[in-house]
Amino acid sequence: DAGVIQSPRHEVTEMGQEVTLRCKPISGHDYLFWYRQTMMRGLELLIYFNNNVPIDDSGMPEDRFSAKMPNASFSTLKIQPSEPRDSAVYFCASSLFSDGTNTEAFFGQGTRLTVV
Amino acid sequence: AQKVTQAQTEISVVEKEDVTLDCVYETRDTTYYLFWYKQPPSGELVFLIRRNSFDEQNEISGRYSWNFQKSTSSFNFTITASQVVDSAVYFCALLNNAGNMLTFGGGTRLMVKP
Repeated sequence: DAGVIQSPRHEVTEMGQEVTLRCKPISGHDYLFWYRQTMMRGLELLIYFNNNVPIDDSGMPEDRFSAKMPNASFSTLKIQPSEPRDSAVYFCASSLFSDGTNTEAFFGQGTRLTVV
Repeated sequence: AQKVTQAQTEISVVEKEDVTLDCVYETRDTTYYLFWYKQPPSGELVFLIRRNSFDEQNEISGRYSWNFQKSTSSFNFTITASQVVDSAVYFCALLNNAGNMLTFGGGTRLMVKP
């Protein structure tokens, strides 16, 4: 398996523009997580899905942020409109719940977002 | 609520020194899972180890070893004979019993100088 795949790796956009980050989890994994990493706050959980259903989005900072998982192999995180303070590295991770336990979360390489 | 604390924000050592990264956690679950991840300068998060709360055996993998002490809620990570390639940010993380909350510590930046 190629692991968790995120695209793009880098994104530079102007304030006010819409940004869409993409994630392909590991095949067969039933949990998908979106994290944001900044110097100030470290790694923060934004939202997670179980079997394509959003379970907890309490970490999503504002209504400008939205996430979808239309099928088991694809998820998006959208920011509209983007602001400079959204600049961060966004990670997607997936894991499998099996035999009563979760595997470790496997992370994608991240998308470095810069909003100017 | 659960919490992971990595009190050391930055550690600098000289190559071949041993170094221990501390991790202390808080949770109300009786069953939980602990992890260490490495984030090298390239930015990806690399899984290193997973430990179940009911397994207190310490583990050694090459130059890496982990000391899990349930009594003190600690899961420390030791690198023996450190190398420059060990330079990275290391994260300790805690997964709850339900498997839906993975909480990270603030990370420890390790710099190994030649």
